[in-house]
This record gives sequence, C-alpha cells and structure tokens, in this order.
Amino acid sequence: EDQVTQSPEALRLQEGESSSLNCSYTVSGLRGLFWYRQDPGKGPEFLFTLYSAGEEKEKERLKATLTKKESFLHITAPKPEDSATYLCAVRRGGNQFYFGTGTSLTVIP
Amino acid sequence: NAGVTQTPKFQVLKTGQSMTLQCAQDMNHEYMSWYRQDPGMGLRLIHYSVGAGITDQGEVPNGYNVSRSTTEDFPLRLLSAAPSQTSVYFCASSYVRLDSPLHFGNGTRLTVT
Repeated sequence: EDQVTQSPEALRLQEGESSSLNCSYTVSGLRGLFWYRQDPGKGPEFLFTLYSAGEEKEKERLKATLTKKESFLHITAPKPEDSATYLCAVRRGGNQFYFGTGTSLTVIP
Repeated sequence: NAGVTQTPKFQVLKTGQSMTLQCAQDMNHEYMSWYRQDPGMGLRLIHYSVGAGITDQGEVPNGYNVSRSTTEDFPLRLLSAAPSQTSVYFCASSYVRLDSPLHFGNGTRLTVT
C-alpha cells in the first residue's frame, strides 16, 4: 500500500537552531517527491521537487535530500518567518499525488 | 498573475443542502484536482481531471461530483451535504508532465451543520 509518513508531527526550535524534518515513503513507481510549505489559512506553496536518490535541492535556509526510502528537509539557522507546516508528497505514475500529514514548525525568537 | 482562484472562501451549509465550489486557473494547466484537508489526515484526493471532458475519482470521491467543460474551470459539487463533509477544500492544478508541481488555491472552508 502506498504510504507517506512525516515526522515529527510538531517541532519547536529556537531561532538559529538547525534541524531536519523527515518524510518516509513506500510508493511503487515513484515519479517524484515534492516539498511544500503551508501557512495558516493558505494553500500549500511549492518548494522543491526531487527525482532520484542522492539528489539535493537548496533554497535560502532550506535543503532537501532524497534517498530510496526517505527525504529530509534540513533547516539551517531558522528564523521566525520559517514557521509553517511543511508537507511532502509523492507522485506515482499517472497524475496522483499522495501527501503526508505534515510537520508543524515553530521557530521562537 | 491570479494562479488558482477558489470561491467562496467560507461557506456554511445545513445538512442536505447542495452547493458548488468554484475553481479557476489561468496557467493553461491540463491537470486539475480537488483535495480535502482534515486535521491528522493530510490532503486527500477527491477527484481529478487531465483535460476538458475527462474526469476520474481519487481516494475519497463519495458525495462529490465534478465536470470539466473548459481547461480553466473545475467545479466541485456537493449534492446533499453531510456533517462529514466539513473540511477545508483545495483546488490544485499542474501540467501533466512529470516535473510539474501542483499549484494550489487558498482553499474553501466548509462547515456543514
């Protein structure tokens, strides 16, 4: 059965305290892994796409990595404005995306 | 750049009432989809479409209907609302090519009493 699991469910960090979010998946025929950021009352906003094990993408304080079974979103020296829920999704063959339940990140000044 | 536009933003219905949630995109995306987001459940796919005249069911289609008469619009119909349909609904679109991410609207918060 296709499954996407994110951990932890919630994470509180002090400003400047680096950490990582995890997304593990069991999907047949993976066609891409996507990271999104969601702010309260808004729709998810696209961050990264990863396709193959070993691939890395970076944007400002965020870096996403991918292995055969999981992806990590590393947050370096986070700021309060990085507070949001981070979602990962996998794309199977065809056009179906499966989403995890997200990690709620709070960065305390 | 409007992107994906959803209306209304908020809606309250009584059990048994019907309504249509509207979704429009101006990016010429072939693929459009509807998700519902519930606490602890993540985003779950309701229906999707890969082009005008083509629709298919997702993970949780019961109680919802869709149609796709144009590339731009993909309305979601609730024929007889139930309290279990209280949720936040998101419309999302993309190109059908594999490197295209989903682009989301800002959601419709629906409460069924």
